[in-house]
Amino acid sequence: QAALTQPASVSGSPGQSITISCTGTSSDVGGYNYVSWYQQHPGKAPKLMIYDVSNRPSGISNRFSGSKSGNTASLTISGLQAEDEADYYCSSYTSSSTVVFGGGTKLTVL
Amino acid sequence: QVHLVQSGAEVKKPGASVKVSCKASGNTFTDYYAHWVRQAPGQGLEWMGWMNANSGATKYAQKFQGRVTMTRDTSISTAYMELNSLRSDDTAVYYCARDPSTSGAYLDYWGLGTLVTVSS
Repeated sequence: QAALTQPASVSGSPGQSITISCTGTSSDVGGYNYVSWYQQHPGKAPKLMIYDVSNRPSGISNRFSGSKSGNTASLTISGLQAEDEADYYCSSYTSSSTVVFGGGTKLTVL
Repeated sequence: QVHLVQSGAEVKKPGASVKVSCKASGNTFTDYYAHWVRQAPGQGLEWMGWMNANSGATKYAQKFQGRVTMTRDTSISTAYMELNSLRSDDTAVYYCARDPSTSGAYLDYWGLGTLVTVSS
């Protein structure tokens, strides 16, 4: 199962919005509404930010939103804050009943 | 509050095996799936497999088929991941994570990770 494709890096200034894309196939992202997004700060465990494409867990800011179109899912962060600087990973359930992660995107807040 | 407490760091020689534990508290262990995800130094997340904590059913990533075994002891709410025939490129932080979904998969609580170092 090939990894989902994410941009290696994105950047934005405080207060701006950024979007991170996550491209898969019809066997994963495109075939199911089971895309999730994780935030990881250096040396820390990943943290769930979005599940089932667009749902936010309790306690996650509404500045984080998710969407999907075809084989590509997206994570949008609005009103960028310094603490949003981290690595972000998408993942998807697959037709083989497995899970696949994206390669990760490093977000820099300028 | 849910906590996943993992066992401590391990140093192993090539060819050896390692067994990492993950003890759950604050929830009903058998109501969820347990996933294992690893992260090599400076690299991304890599999914290894899942286990139904109630039935013990497992599904492994093709890459690890034949080399990984996921088990559990429901009496102590603990999941285990054993990886055999270790190589230097198995050096990584290994995470357990809870999956509360009934369809699909997402990981809402994670352990802090267990560093496994493979070195001669």
